[in-house]
Amino acid sequence: SQQGEEDPQALSIQEGENATMNCSYKTSINNLQWYRQNSGRGLVHLILIRSNEREKHSGRLRVTLDTSKKSSSLLITASRAADTASYFCATLSAYGGSQGNLIFGKGTKLSVKP
Amino acid sequence: DGGITQSPKYLFRKEGQNVTLSCEQNLNHDAMYWYRQDPGQGLRLIYYSQIVNDFQKGDIAEGYSVSREKKESFPLTVTSAQKNPTAFYLCASSISFHEKLFFGSGTQLSVL
Repeated sequence: SQQGEEDPQALSIQEGENATMNCSYKTSINNLQWYRQNSGRGLVHLILIRSNEREKHSGRLRVTLDTSKKSSSLLITASRAADTASYFCATLSAYGGSQGNLIFGKGTKLSVKP
Repeated sequence: DGGITQSPKYLFRKEGQNVTLSCEQNLNHDAMYWYRQDPGQGLRLIYYSQIVNDFQKGDIAEGYSVSREKKESFPLTVTSAQKNPTAFYLCASSISFHEKLFFGSGTQLSVL
C-alpha cells in the first residue's frame, strides 16, 4: 500500500545546526504534507506541497519534492531546542477512491541539544 | 480562541465496556477525522466525515463507531468488539478534505 516512510528514524543534532529528514512513498500523489508532534500532544501542520510543486518555504522550513524519485525532504535551518519533536510526512494518493485517504509515515524523532 | 477540543485526556476501559471519546471543534470545518496512534507508529485512520450526517470507514474501523449529528461534534465510541483498544486517539478537522488537518491534543485510552 502507498505509505510515506521517513528517514532517519531518529536524529540528534546541536542547536544551530540544520536538520534534514526524508520521506519516500510508493505511488503517485496529489500532495504531500509535513506535520510536527511534540511528545504526548496532537500533530501540527507545517507545510503542504502539491505534486506540481518542487519546493516550498515557511520560515526556517524548506520542503522539496521529487516526484520522479517519489521522495520529499524537510530541512529545518538553524535548529532550536524547541524544534525537538517527531516529524511525520503524510501523502494523499492521486487515485482517490479507497486509496484516497491521507497516509502517515512512522515519523522521524528529532532531538536538538542546547 | 478557535480550536479542536478532545476529552477526556486519559480514559480507562474495563473488559466488555464501551467508552466514548469526545471531539468538538469551533473552526467551522466540514471535514472531521479520527486517528489511532500506537507507540512508535504513524497515524491510522479509523473514521472520517466530510459533512454532517455522513461518515465513512477508514482503514481500521472494526470495533469502533461514530456519529456526526452536528457540524461541531464527532464523537468516537470504542466498543467491546475492539480487542486491543490501548492507544492514543487523535481527532482532527479540516476545511478541505485531507488537507492541512488541525488536531486535538489527544486521548490516551488504556484497558484496566
